Amino acid sequence: SQTIHQWPATLVQPVGSPLSLECTVEGTSNPNLYWYRQAAGRGLQLLFYSVGIGQISSEVPQNLSASRPQDRQFILSSKKLLLSDSGFYLCAWIPGGNTIYFGEGSWLTVV
Amino acid sequence: GENVEQHPSTLSVQEGDSAVIKCTYSDSASNYFPWYKQELGKGPQLIIDIRSNVGEKKDQRIAVTLNKTAKHFSLHITETQPEDSAVYFCAADLYQTGANNLFFGTGTRLTVIP
Repeated sequence: SQTIHQWPATLVQPVGSPLSLECTVEGTSNPNLYWYRQAAGRGLQLLFYSVGIGQISSEVPQNLSASRPQDRQFILSSKKLLLSDSGFYLCAWIPGGNTIYFGEGSWLTVV
Repeated sequence: GENVEQHPSTLSVQEGDSAVIKCTYSDSASNYFPWYKQELGKGPQLIIDIRSNVGEKKDQRIAVTLNKTAKHFSLHITETQPEDSAVYFCAADLYQTGANNLFFGTGTRLTVIP
């Protein structure tokens, strides 16, 4: 079966600390993978997408970065978090065709 | 690039009434239009989608219509129930550089009043 899993589900981090959110998928090879951010009460903002291992495209300049070390693994990172990085982060994928499926999300609060 | 606008931003209806959410898109090359439902604290879930070669699609109480000429599409929910309360997002797909890239509307918060 095709599944997407991201973690952690929630985290509270101090300003200036690093961040690592991980997303893994199962059920297909070479999927397109995405990281979105959703600020409170706002829409979905595409941050990064990847069409293959080591291939990352950035949609919005920021202090976040993404990496795809394995075909089914997508990581969102930051070396130093800002208050404005708080939000709901969603990993997503397209296992085939056009349909994009989202993970359950990670709530990040930067304090 | 594509620009998707969604209205209204909030919508309240009485249980049993219908709800309609409308979206417009700017790029006539877009050919895939999904709708997502997002409940509080969860990731968006696909509820229905439509492709540009179809004008209308229905799944039980949910239907989506597409007008390619006017570049707008709408979500219709009939006989609304309290569990329909959520944020709904429309999106348009513009395939570019090998990566399907969905452009989302800003969302509609639907409240169904019992």
